[in-house]
Amino acid sequence: DAKTTQPPSMDCAEGRAANLPCNHSTISGNEYVYWYRQIHSQGPQYIIHGLKNNETNEMASLIITEDRKSSTLILPHATLRDTAVYYCIGQAGTALIFGKGTTLSVSS
Amino acid sequence: DSGVTQTPKHLITATGQRVTLRCSPRSGDLSVYWYQQSLDQGLQFLIQYYNGEERAKGNILERFSAQQFPDLHSELNLSSLELGDSALYFCASSDGGGLYEQYFGPGTRLTVT
Repeated sequence: DAKTTQPPSMDCAEGRAANLPCNHSTISGNEYVYWYRQIHSQGPQYIIHGLKNNETNEMASLIITEDRKSSTLILPHATLRDTAVYYCIGQAGTALIFGKGTTLSVSS
Repeated sequence: DSGVTQTPKHLITATGQRVTLRCSPRSGDLSVYWYQQSLDQGLQFLIQYYNGEERAKGNILERFSAQQFPDLHSELNLSSLELGDSALYFCASSDGGGLYEQYFGPGTRLTVT
């Protein structure tokens, strides 16, 4: 599984877009990029995943660079409830290998 | 609500004891995963079962064991407990055995005193 690097923390104003970066320069061709988040001590929540193309769902958008060495998770209109730890995971096996993630703080 | 249930929510026990954590996956999901989250180690994958069979193993101690039953619920058994085993234990499920999004339960908080 690819090693991922994320900034430890980010701030965002409520209603603005939150752009969370992730570097995964060692990712291999068959490894997906997954994003999960954990709100306080709740169970992690699946957000989105992608391989090569950009992806969008009702929660977020995922932009993957053409060389696949980095990606950005976009929460288009952050709310206070989006305050959480966001994990970027490069996954080939069935298990999720969590790093330290980015703590996103959304404030009004 | 992910549809994954875990019992109990909290468990307090003494060193040397044995406990069993239970997980019911989402309806129709065949895979169950167990994760441990402690303050110093973060979220760590322990073990995966798919349709009753062990599929993948992570950093699971020999004192820990798991199984998945015919009705697909799973149990994680922790024995000879140590203070360092205090952690949140999460169960997750997915509908396949390979690369699928996983849905996590609310966790069981274990405190070993």
